[in-house]
Amino acid sequence: GEDVEQSLFLSVREGDSSVINCTYTDSSSTYLYWYKQEPGAGLQLLTYIFSNMDMKQDQRLTVLLNKKDKHLSLRIADTQTGDSAIYFCAADSWGKLQFGAGTQVVVTP
Amino acid sequence: DGGITQSPKYLFRKEGQNVTLSCEQNLNHDAMYWYRQDPGQGLRLIYYSQIVNDFQKGDIAEGYSVSREKKESFPLTVTSAQKNPTAFYLCASSETYLAKNIQYFGAGTRLSVL
Repeated sequence: GEDVEQSLFLSVREGDSSVINCTYTDSSSTYLYWYKQEPGAGLQLLTYIFSNMDMKQDQRLTVLLNKKDKHLSLRIADTQTGDSAIYFCAADSWGKLQFGAGTQVVVTP
Repeated sequence: DGGITQSPKYLFRKEGQNVTLSCEQNLNHDAMYWYRQDPGQGLRLIYYSQIVNDFQKGDIAEGYSVSREKKESFPLTVTSAQKNPTAFYLCASSETYLAKNIQYFGAGTRLSVL
C-alpha cells in the first residue's frame, strides 16, 4: 500500500528555523499537503504543493518537493511558541489522502 | 461562518451500545470523510462519501456505519461490533473528490469507553 513517513519529534529554539521532513511512496500523488494540529483540535491546512513544482513559499512557510526522491519538507522560519504542535504530511492517492504519523514540534524559549 | 461542526466534543460509550457522532458542513462540499486518530499514529480513513446518497468503505470500516442522506450531513455510528472504539474521530470535507483534494477538518470528537 501507499505509505507516508515522517520523523516523530523535533525540538527547536524560539527564533530558529524548523525543518520537518516527509517521504511518500505513491509516485502518482498530484498534490502534497501540510496540516497542523494543536492539542485536542482538528487539523488545520497550512499549505500544499502541486507535484510539478519544486518549491512554494507562503510567508514564514517554505515547502520543498523532490519528486524524484519522493521527499517533501516544510521549513518554518523564525519559529514561535505558537508553532508548537503536531505537523502532518499528506499525499493524495486515488482521491484519498494518505497521512504520515505526524511530527511533534516543541519550541523552547 | 462557513465550516465543519462536529458534536459532541466528548462522548462515552457503554458496553454493547451504539453511539452516533454528528458531522455537519455548510461549505457546500460534495465529499465528506471520517477518520480515526490514535496516539502516535496518523489518520486512518473509516468511510468516505463522494456525493450525497453514496458512500464507500475506507481502510478500517469494520464496526462502523454511516449515512449520507443530505449533502451537509455525514453521521458516523460506532457499533457494538467495534471492540476498541476509544479514539479521536475527525470529520472532513472537500469541494470534490477529484484532484486537488483539499480537505477541511472539524474540531473532532473524543470517544471513550465506560
